Amino acid sequence: EADIYQTPRYLVIGTGKKITLECSQTMGHDKMYWYQQDPGMELHLIHYSYGVNSTEKGDLSSESTVSRIRTEHFPLTLESARPSHTSQYLCASSEPGQEASIGQFFGPGTRLTVL
Amino acid sequence: RKEVEQDPGPFNVPEGATVAFNCTYSNSASQSFFWYRQDCRKEPKLLMSVYSSGNEDGRFTAQLNRASQYISLLIRDSKLSDSATYLCVVPRGGFQKLVFGTGTRLLVSP
Repeated sequence: EADIYQTPRYLVIGTGKKITLECSQTMGHDKMYWYQQDPGMELHLIHYSYGVNSTEKGDLSSESTVSRIRTEHFPLTLESARPSHTSQYLCASSEPGQEASIGQFFGPGTRLTVL
Repeated sequence: RKEVEQDPGPFNVPEGATVAFNCTYSNSASQSFFWYRQDCRKEPKLLMSVYSSGNEDGRFTAQLNRASQYISLLIRDSKLSDSATYLCVVPRGGFQKLVFGTGTRLLVSP
C-alpha cells in the first residue's frame, strides 16, 4: 500500500471561506501532484511539484495555490471557496526513474462541497 | 482529437466472461503506458504498466499497438470484484505528466 495521506476526506463549507487541503507522503518522493476529478469525468492535473520550493500549474486552470516547503508535504489552498470548486481533489506522488514501472501513487482524495 | 480516448461503456458482462477494452492515444512519441483501476468514489490504483508489445499479470493482459496507437486491456474469467472503471493513462513529456482517459466502466454480474 502506498503511504500517501489526505485530510480532510470530506469537507462541506460555505462560500467565501478559505480552505487548505492537506497531502502528505512518507515515501520520500520528489514529485507530487494535485488532480481534480468531477463525478464520471477524467482526472485533470491542476498543480505539480518536482521538489522543495518547486511548484507549477497543471493543464486545468485553477484558482487554488500550492506550496512545497517540505518534501513530504504538498498542501493546496483556496483563498475563497465557491460552489464551482465543488469536486474531488486527489493528491499523488512519484519517484523519478521509477515511473515507467510504478507510475504515480494516489491518496484517498478529499471530496469538497461548497454551498 | 483528445490525447487519450476510451469507450466509456458500461460493459455489462457475466461472471467468467472475457472482456476487452481499447484505448487510443494521439502522441506517437509515447513509450510506456498504464492501466489504472478506479472504484467508485475511490482513488485510482495502478493495475499494470505497458511497454514493449505488452504485459501479462494473471487474468489481465495489456497489449500495445504502436502503429495504430492503441492499447488494449483483456480481462479473462471476470470476477464480481473486477467491477470498476479502468483508466488508460499516457505519459507526456517523458514522465513529466500523466494524461488520463475518461475511463471504461465494467460491471460484472452473477
